[in-house]
Amino acid sequence: NAGVIQTPRHKVTGKGQEATLWCEPISGHSAVFWYRQTIVQGLEFLTYFRNQAPIDDSGMPKERFSAQMPNQSHSTLKIQSTQPQDSAVYLCASSLDFNQDTQYFGPGTRLLVL
Amino acid sequence: GEKVEQHESTLSVREGDSAVINCTYTDTASSYFPWYKQEAGKSLHFVIDIRSNVDRKQSQRLIVLLDKKAKRFSLHITATQPEDSAIYFCAASSDYNQGKLIFGQGTKLSIKP
Repeated sequence: NAGVIQTPRHKVTGKGQEATLWCEPISGHSAVFWYRQTIVQGLEFLTYFRNQAPIDDSGMPKERFSAQMPNQSHSTLKIQSTQPQDSAVYLCASSLDFNQDTQYFGPGTRLLVL
Repeated sequence: GEKVEQHESTLSVREGDSAVINCTYTDTASSYFPWYKQEAGKSLHFVIDIRSNVDRKQSQRLIVLLDKKAKRFSLHITATQPEDSAIYFCAASSDYNQGKLIFGQGTKLSIKP
């Protein structure tokens, strides 16, 4: 079992550019979560999917952030018109089921917006 | 909304002693409380969890206690070893949030020889 896979591991973008982050959940897991980690804000929930359907995006910054899960094997987090304050480690996690099952985290994508 | 407070930002204990990290939460509907370990430069690694139907859970050297009345839970690491050094995060979720984790700020645990 390879665990949750995230690509790229590091990404540097210029202000105003677009960034797309990829996540491959553990095979057979039905729930996929996205979190963001910064020194100042700590770990923040962004959004999650259950069986590919979006369930809760209450943590997503409005307008520029979007997430999709086109199939059971991957999810994407897209940030349009990136800003320096978007710099963070973006973590993807998956769980066997959605309801308070153990979430297993990927290695994260470190995004730096210059 | 739900908040989780982690009381110790740093903690230093001597190797072989016990370490205790305390967290409190605000939402009385919280019912699931996992703990994660993050080593330098790495991601979150699940270590242990507890659900609201019990008040104690142990896995080898790790013990989690839950006091629902006080809305407090704690991680006890017994017989600490150098490899226990890391940042530990507590988290909570409620039935209505269905898995969405609210994290504490993290406790940096250092094990001194």
